[in-house]
Amino acid sequence: DTAVSQTPKYLVTQMGNDKSIKCEQNLGHDTMYWYKQDSKKFLKIMFSYNNKELIINETVPNRFSPKSPDKAHLNLHINSLELGDSAVYFCASSHRETQYFGPGTRLLVL
Amino acid sequence: AQSVTQPDIHITVSEGASLELRCNYSYGATPYLFWYVQSPGQGLQLLLKYFSGDTLVQGIKGFEAEFKRSQSSFNLRKPSVHWSDAAEYFCAVGHSGGGADGLTFGKGTHLIIQP
Repeated sequence: DTAVSQTPKYLVTQMGNDKSIKCEQNLGHDTMYWYKQDSKKFLKIMFSYNNKELIINETVPNRFSPKSPDKAHLNLHINSLELGDSAVYFCASSHRETQYFGPGTRLLVL
Repeated sequence: AQSVTQPDIHITVSEGASLELRCNYSYGATPYLFWYVQSPGQGLQLLLKYFSGDTLVQGIKGFEAEFKRSQSSFNLRKPSVHWSDAAEYFCAVGHSGGGADGLTFGKGTHLIIQP
């Protein structure tokens, strides 16, 4: 009965590849997010989706694209992966102000 | 723009001792404040939150935090730490307008527990 889940947990890939990370929430929340945690553990918002509409698109490269097939899912697609994309990516969901986070996906680009 | 400062990158505390982790925020309106904990290799777990009302808020795992508007602070406290409290702690500020915006996080405080 995990509230916010992500797959895969670990992702190791080569530069230039395209990859996706999936996120699902079973909390019935209206808004979902993607955050990036860098090697120094700093967390920064990347995107949020509210009722299938993009609300925030921070200054992330357009190689990153969120896709929300329905209110319970927000997937992150990354094209042409670069070394600097190596990080932990967290999905979160919220109803009003409180956000609940998934376990994270650790991406390593070689 | 809002910001969050956690002045202590690392803190070492003996098991059983009290703990206080500092957090200062900069925000133009009434802030929504959060503390999250991240255990090694894990996701972020919400410890507690402050929206309004009583400025001393209780959270899970015996943690509490006090909102002080005059000092723009939201420090996290625990009277007696356990070895399992060793983790990374993040303070965050959210927007009072609703949940559609992301949280702004501090850079975290790494808590080390000495036996």
